[in-house]
Amino acid sequence: SAVISQKPSRDICQRGTSLTIQCQVDSQVTMMFWYRQQPGQSLTLIATANQGSEATYESGFVIDKFPISRPNLTFSTLTVSNMSPEDSSIYLCSVVGGWNTEAFFGQGTRLTVV
Amino acid sequence: QQQVKQSPQSLIVQKGGISIINCAYENTAFDYFPWYQQFPGKGPALLIAIRPDVSEKKEGRFTISFNKSAKQFSLHIMDSQPGDSATYFCAASPSGTYKYIFGTGTRLKVLA
Repeated sequence: SAVISQKPSRDICQRGTSLTIQCQVDSQVTMMFWYRQQPGQSLTLIATANQGSEATYESGFVIDKFPISRPNLTFSTLTVSNMSPEDSSIYLCSVVGGWNTEAFFGQGTRLTVV
Repeated sequence: QQQVKQSPQSLIVQKGGISIINCAYENTAFDYFPWYQQFPGKGPALLIAIRPDVSEKKEGRFTISFNKSAKQFSLHIMDSQPGDSATYFCAASPSGTYKYIFGTGTRLKVLA
């Protein structure tokens, strides 16, 4: 399994500002993903973070709102841009290693927009 | 077609009882079906997973039953304990994508 560190663990932000969330894995992984979990809800895939190229976004999510970087095989960032209270959610980094298809999740970043 | 339907939304079980959570899907391209356990303030943790070529998989107190023809799968927690109280999510992954579509979650409470 992989050890995933997400920073920050939580934040309270003003509307209109942006927050960048970091995801660091202790080993090289094949795939990295970003999910959103709205309060009391299920997890929804935002995008696949591709190393060295633009992320692949799911329907309903766009790069201008959620820019993602993945400069190497162990690190990725998700930025939540021009935040509104509707962006208040838990954002989770997920990784899949080359060993199998199991996905592991970070602890999440709990974002509150006021 | 991409949805995974999960029931019940919440479940209360006595200690020592069996907890059963059900999921159903439509997309026949799904070929990997994991279950995740999530405690408050934590990320989801993989419990157990199954592929369509197997009808049942057991790991300790946790069992997945899979019915390919009905496109349904379920999680059984035997001898449920208060420490099992958490939210459980089923998920499904289309072949070769490693992306997960999650069910809506089941909040389980095991009474001592």
